Amino acid sequence: DTAVSQTPKYLVTQMGNDKSIKCEQNLGHDTMYWYKQDSKKFLKIMFSYNNKELIINETVPNRFSPKSPDKAHLNLHINSLELGDSAVYFCASSQAQAGYNIQYFGAGTRLSVL
Amino acid sequence: GQQVMQIPQYQHVQEGEDFTTYCNSSTTLSNIQWYKQRPGGHPVFLIQLVKSGEVKKQKRLTFQFGEAKKNSSLHITATQTTDVGTYFCAESYNNNDMRFGAGTRLTVKP
Repeated sequence: DTAVSQTPKYLVTQMGNDKSIKCEQNLGHDTMYWYKQDSKKFLKIMFSYNNKELIINETVPNRFSPKSPDKAHLNLHINSLELGDSAVYFCASSQAQAGYNIQYFGAGTRLSVL
Repeated sequence: GQQVMQIPQYQHVQEGEDFTTYCNSSTTLSNIQWYKQRPGGHPVFLIQLVKSGEVKKQKRLTFQFGEAKKNSSLHITATQTTDVGTYFCAESYNNNDMRFGAGTRLTVKP
């Protein structure tokens, strides 16, 4: 079984549309994350959720909204998609402990905004 | 904000040559993690270093954490085509936050 799974794997859409990406982890971890990786491979953390509470919210546009129905799921909803949103979005999870925070990544969602 | 600087950005080697990537920080790092991302894949955790001067080995890979805990390196001996990918260093801090270096993209010519 895949530890961190996200869907869809590919997403092609028009500017202005709203889309969602789903993520689920079966590792029993207490923290989940969303990362954005641009064409230059820079990995930037967008959000993290710990026990259903948002604990990090980087300066991302408010068009992006994470939603966590339970600690095994963290979905990402994007409103009014823009060309610059094209990137690979990775979900990850970890069991955060003092000094240890190993990230387990999903396979990624490749978003193309046309 | 505080950044983890990683160099080089790209490295192209002949198979059998050695490879090293470096991470540096202007402030003391609480720990350093290393990840590998194969082309088209996702980052996969390799190792974490916590102690000053720590050295760990995984087969042909050697990881070092500087004495001052401000730098780290990953060295691969005798590269193989399977080593191709992007190597990232990262710092975990405040229990739940992560800061990644820009990555070093390694290509290996057979």
